[in-house]
Amino acid sequence: GENVEQHPSTLSVQEGDSAVIKCTYSDSASNYFPWYKQELGKRPQLIIDIRSNVGEKKDQRIAVTLNKTAKHFSLHITETQPEDSAVYFCAASIRTGANNLFFGTGTRLTVIP
Amino acid sequence: NAGVTQTPKFRVLKTGQSMTLLCAQDMNHEYMYWYRQDPGMGLRLIHYSVGEGTTAKGEVPDGYNVSRLKKQNFLLGLESAAPSQTSVYFCASDGAGARNEKLFFGSGTQLSVL
Repeated sequence: GENVEQHPSTLSVQEGDSAVIKCTYSDSASNYFPWYKQELGKRPQLIIDIRSNVGEKKDQRIAVTLNKTAKHFSLHITETQPEDSAVYFCAASIRTGANNLFFGTGTRLTVIP
Repeated sequence: NAGVTQTPKFRVLKTGQSMTLLCAQDMNHEYMYWYRQDPGMGLRLIHYSVGEGTTAKGEVPDGYNVSRLKKQNFLLGLESAAPSQTSVYFCASDGAGARNEKLFFGSGTQLSVL
């Protein structure tokens, strides 16, 4: 099955700086790559996603890039704010019907005021 | 519109006991999923369903059974709980088609098996 690796496991940045989280996947058939944000004790929330026919997608301060050849994708958060502090998960799936996501192990982002 | 609702929110079991977790969604979603989340391991898919009356195994199905008798409900059962099943369980659902592929999660169930 699919194997998704995520780095780094922890990341601390100063408020206003950028944060980058990287993931790699193993199955070249994967075509859907979402990113989830999970605050302590809460449910995961989708923040952005990208399909394999797109190389980059941006939503305000958040962007995701995908390199299908290298099988890696990244989350970029610019102008970080303290409320961005959370655990971020990448995931991958072969979206032909059900969305059976394989998740990375998470990155704990801390934004220092 | 409540989204995805899980019950119970917390449960403590003794080894060998059984229990059922209930997931209900009111968004008319075709697909439903059960994930477990363990520290340092992300979320792993236990079982899923592509429609009423169907179930399928995910990444870590051993020790669990599921049923989907109604489209809106997806039940996760533990027949004989083991300490290794101590985890946070999340139910999720989404629909068919690109407009409905956003996965909605329930609020989670914290299960401890002693």
